[in-house]
Amino acid sequence: AQSVTQLGSHVSVSEGALVLLRCNYSSSVPPYLFWYVQYPNQGLQLLLKYTSAATLVKGINDFEAEFKKSETSFHLTKPSAHMSDAAEYFCAVTLSGNTPLVFGKGTRLSVIA
Amino acid sequence: NAGVTQTPKFRILKIGQSMTLQCTQDMNHNYMYWYRQDPGMGLKLIYYSVGAGITDKGEVPNGYNVSRSTTEDFPLRLELAAPSQTSVYFCASSHPNSNQPQHFGDGTRLSIL
Repeated sequence: AQSVTQLGSHVSVSEGALVLLRCNYSSSVPPYLFWYVQYPNQGLQLLLKYTSAATLVKGINDFEAEFKKSETSFHLTKPSAHMSDAAEYFCAVTLSGNTPLVFGKGTRLSVIA
Repeated sequence: NAGVTQTPKFRILKIGQSMTLQCTQDMNHNYMYWYRQDPGMGLKLIYYSVGAGITDKGEVPNGYNVSRSTTEDFPLRLELAAPSQTSVYFCASSHPNSNQPQHFGDGTRLSIL
C-alpha cells in the first residue's frame, strides 16, 4: 500500500525567503503525486500534480515540485515566500487504477514579516 | 460555478443523535469521496463512490453510512453520534482517472457533545 510522510508539521520562514516543504512517499509502482493547500476554514485546493510527464512540475503561485524516484521524494518549493502563502500544505499519493488518494499529515507554513 | 457544495457548514449534535451531511457537485464527476480531518492527522478517507449505486469503504468507515442514488449527490449519515466523530468533514469529487485532481467542498464542522 502507498503512504506519504511529510517531514515537519510546522515550518516557519521569513517573507522573501525560500520555502521548502518535504514529502516522501512509498509505493511499489510509479505513483501519481499531488500537493494541495488549505487556507483557514476552507477546503483543499490543488497546487500541482505529478503524472509522469515531467519530473519538475510547476504549479500556481510560483510553487514547484520535483519528483525524484531515487529518493522517493516530491518536495515543494517556492523561491520567495509571501505572507499570503501562510496555510497548511498536504502531499498526497495515488496509484494508477483509480485507487483513492492517501494524504500526508500536513505541514503548516507560517510566514514572518 | 458552484463546484462541490457541503451543507451544513457547522453543526452541534448530542451524543446518540443522528444526522446527514449533504454533498452535491455540479461537475458531472463520477467519483466522490468523504474525508474527515482531525488536527495533525491529515485527511482520512471514510467512504468513496465510483458512480451512482456504487460505494466502498475507506480507511475509517465505522459509525458512518453513505448512499449514491445520483451522480450529483453523496450524503454521509451518522446514525448514533459519538464524541470521537467530532471532526471537520470534507466531501470531494473527481473524474475517473487517477491523475485527475480532486475538487473539495469547504467542509462541515461537526461537534458531538
